[in-house]
Amino acid sequence: DIQMTQSPASLSASLGETVTIECRASEDIYNGLAWYQQKPGKSPQLLIYNANSLHTGVPSRFSGSGSGTQYSLKINSLQSEDVASYFCQQYYDYPFTFGSGTKLEIK
Amino acid sequence: QVTLKESGPGILQPSQTLSLTCSFSGFSLSTSGICVSWIRQPSGKGLEWLATICWEDSKGYNPSLKNRLTISKDTSNNQAFLKITSVDTADTAIYYCARSPGSYGFDYWGQGVMVTVSS
Repeated sequence: DIQMTQSPASLSASLGETVTIECRASEDIYNGLAWYQQKPGKSPQLLIYNANSLHTGVPSRFSGSGSGTQYSLKINSLQSEDVASYFCQQYYDYPFTFGSGTKLEIK
Repeated sequence: QVTLKESGPGILQPSQTLSLTCSFSGFSLSTSGICVSWIRQPSGKGLEWLATICWEDSKGYNPSLKNRLTISKDTSNNQAFLKITSVDTADTAIYYCARSPGSYGFDYWGQGVMVTVSS
């Protein structure tokens, strides 16, 4: 199985700041990576697919980058509505696997 | 407009079989490239992929659940199903179904259904 190691587990930042969340795969996943946002009591929502493609309707302050085994999600100009948990997921190979999540709070 | 909605028994006892239904609209599971997956999330914890079924009836399963999972579909009625045998308290979770249009990640999710396993 491909293991996804996500960091940090939690993050506190001020409004307007830029934050970065990292995900490392245990082997090359050839950009088969998605990022999701999950607000409390809600279903996850797709933000980024294929490592760096913005899903329809997602604000442009979200961006993804990376290749091989190292990937990151960047949120520019942090807004109050960005308070949520964020998960990475590899879909390059079965079994699909998720990172353990990052809980983002506002300072 | 794509929507998915999960349904299930709510509560069941250890050793029973959990049967879940995903009813969807706005797409067809007979369209090339379309897959539906099941993912679960214990309260306050992370996401665990369980199984996927695709338009041409290919399937993938999480080997950590060994041979307890069976995924199936009813294309005519726009439904996908998941059965989990021999449940125990560790299977208590919110269960989601989600769509993936090919190599894309899960672009639409259902609201989730809470399943509690308790004696």
